[in-house]
Amino acid sequence: SQKIEQNSEALNIQEGKTATLTCNYTNYSPAYLQWYRQDPGRGPVFLLLIRENEKEKRKERLKVTFDTTLKQSLFHITASQPADSATYLCARGSQAGTALIFGKGTTLSVSS
Amino acid sequence: DAGVIQSPRHEVTEMGQEVTLRCKPISGHNSLFWYRQTMMRGLELLIYFNNNVPIDDSGMPEDRFSAKMPNASFSTLKIQPSEPRDSAVYFCASSFSGTGGNQPQHFGDGTRLSIL
Repeated sequence: SQKIEQNSEALNIQEGKTATLTCNYTNYSPAYLQWYRQDPGRGPVFLLLIRENEKEKRKERLKVTFDTTLKQSLFHITASQPADSATYLCARGSQAGTALIFGKGTTLSVSS
Repeated sequence: DAGVIQSPRHEVTEMGQEVTLRCKPISGHNSLFWYRQTMMRGLELLIYFNNNVPIDDSGMPEDRFSAKMPNASFSTLKIQPSEPRDSAVYFCASSFSGTGGNQPQHFGDGTRLSIL
């Protein structure tokens, strides 16, 4: 089966530090990985998409990596702020079609 | 632009009742997804449609669940009869059709369903 796992349920860091979230997948390497942010009582919001042949992708303070050897994606938030506190979900494409398979998420808390 | 619109936002009903959740996708998107989110199981795909046609319903828990997409701007998820274990947040999402996860999905804010 196509699994995707986010190792940490929760991560607590201090404002200004870099937050690093981990996502691991099993079996075949997906062509794409996506990262979403979810705030309480809201739906997930798309942040970044990275292709298999892209090692790294950046958007403002966000950076995502894709390591096909380790079967892992890392999601970094630099200079973290309390407003970054949320649950972050990673998702992989399914083997065929448009569907995504989501991890359970990591809840990030940034304290001031 | 309007995002994905779901209704109702909250639904509380008694076991055995029929529940209908509604979704209006983003105009122009041709893929629509229904998810269920619980603390235990996370975000699970129930069913998705491409161009109004159901493609994969393997995530639908059992025959009590059904989904329809009569046109490009409307979809329903129905539970009949409802059971307490159906209590969860149900999300609808839409995207352009793609393959292998190359299209971002846009989510509504969900329906929080409580079955007593």
